[in-house]
Amino acid sequence: DADVTQTPRNRITKTGKRIMLECSQTKGHDRMYWYRQDPGLGLQLIYYSFDVKDINKGEISDGYSVSRQAQAKFSLSLESAIPNQTALYFCATSDPTKSGGRNEQFFGPGTRLTVL
Amino acid sequence: AQKITQTQPGMFVQEKEAVTLDCTYDTSDPSYGLFWYKQPSSGEMIFLIYQGSYDQQNATEGRYSLNFQKARKSANLVISASQLGDSAMYFCAMRELLSGTYKYIFGTGTRLKVLA
Repeated sequence: DADVTQTPRNRITKTGKRIMLECSQTKGHDRMYWYRQDPGLGLQLIYYSFDVKDINKGEISDGYSVSRQAQAKFSLSLESAIPNQTALYFCATSDPTKSGGRNEQFFGPGTRLTVL
Repeated sequence: AQKITQTQPGMFVQEKEAVTLDCTYDTSDPSYGLFWYKQPSSGEMIFLIYQGSYDQQNATEGRYSLNFQKARKSANLVISASQLGDSAMYFCAMRELLSGTYKYIFGTGTRLKVLA
């Protein structure tokens, strides 16, 4: 079983709709992240959370909100989706205490979102 | 200024040959980390290799090695004996400590095509 899972894997929605992307992890990591990937732009950080009570904005948080329901769950919401939010969304986790100093990120499989 | 720069949008390599993917970085954090990820057409992000700023030796993981030139601020990925399955996007990323928080910055990626 995958350590970091995302649902849905693909979603098509219409402008103005509210949509939630969910991320779950079984790695026991405290830190979780949401990124979006657009062609030619690499990954851009939307929000990150270091524990259930700690939520931080990333570089492109406008138009998005998040909820850390538990250590293992981190959800991303688009309150009113717009076409330029069409992208591939990744959830990731990390834990500096469990990686021998590397503190690498582990990614989910991604959610491909299309906003019409 | 770009913190992670990948200057090769696309690369071709003949099967069984070696290929080098370039990455330069910029940071004022003395204890940074450098990562390479592979993203096949299926979309997931796969961790390949890590180099810590204080590591004396270049990192190696199977057919992957990281040519770390600290003074030049470069961290090139070398793939030896290329295989068709190596065709993918490759992202260089850096972990740095900013204002007491670890940040991860990704390059824009290099698309590698291995030719039979």
